[in-house]
Amino acid sequence: GNSVTQMEGPVTLSEEAFLTINCTYTATGYPSLFWYVQYPGEGLQLLLKATKADDKGSNKGFEATYRKETTSFHLEKGSVQVSDSAVYFCALLADYKLSFGAGTTVTVRA
Amino acid sequence: GAVVSQHPSRVICKSGTSVKIECRSLDFQATTMFWYRQFPKKSLMLMATSNEGSKATYEQGVEKDKFLINHASLTLSTLTVTSAHPEDSSFYICSARDTSYGYTFGSGTRLTVV
Repeated sequence: GNSVTQMEGPVTLSEEAFLTINCTYTATGYPSLFWYVQYPGEGLQLLLKATKADDKGSNKGFEATYRKETTSFHLEKGSVQVSDSAVYFCALLADYKLSFGAGTTVTVRA
Repeated sequence: GAVVSQHPSRVICKSGTSVKIECRSLDFQATTMFWYRQFPKKSLMLMATSNEGSKATYEQGVEKDKFLINHASLTLSTLTVTSAHPEDSSFYICSARDTSYGYTFGSGTRLTVV
């Protein structure tokens, strides 16, 4: 079946630090890959996506590259801000269904 | 852009009563809607997939009679938690799928059963 494995948190960083959240997946075929962000008490917002191998998704300073050879889609940001504090979910889309990782809580301190 | 409105955002109900949660796509027609349940500090668990005008498809382990899903129109799906119990307390999130916008999520409903 399809599954997503995401690094466990919580992750605590200082402002302007470099953030990496690892994500690997297992899927049959060629899924699309996503990163979603969830702020406290809210639903999920799409952060970025990639639909095929070697695609790079980017948004708000975040980037992730679809690596088919390592079945990975790691999220990175070079300089985080306090406003980036949230829960981040890696997800894959296959057969019109989204499968989510367990989520990584990120806290950025001023 | 695509907007999905979920209502109510919070609800507290007594054990044994039923609660209805609405999910509306405001500016697009959603051919398919999804209902998820999120436990504290856990990922989203897909409960069911609903297509307009047809019966919902439930994931394994989800009780169809407890979680009633109706998708009466291309812009509205409802989830009714019947005979709610404290263990049904959770954060429920809907998502609507559109060929143009992909998947858009509602803001979630915090259900507390007392």
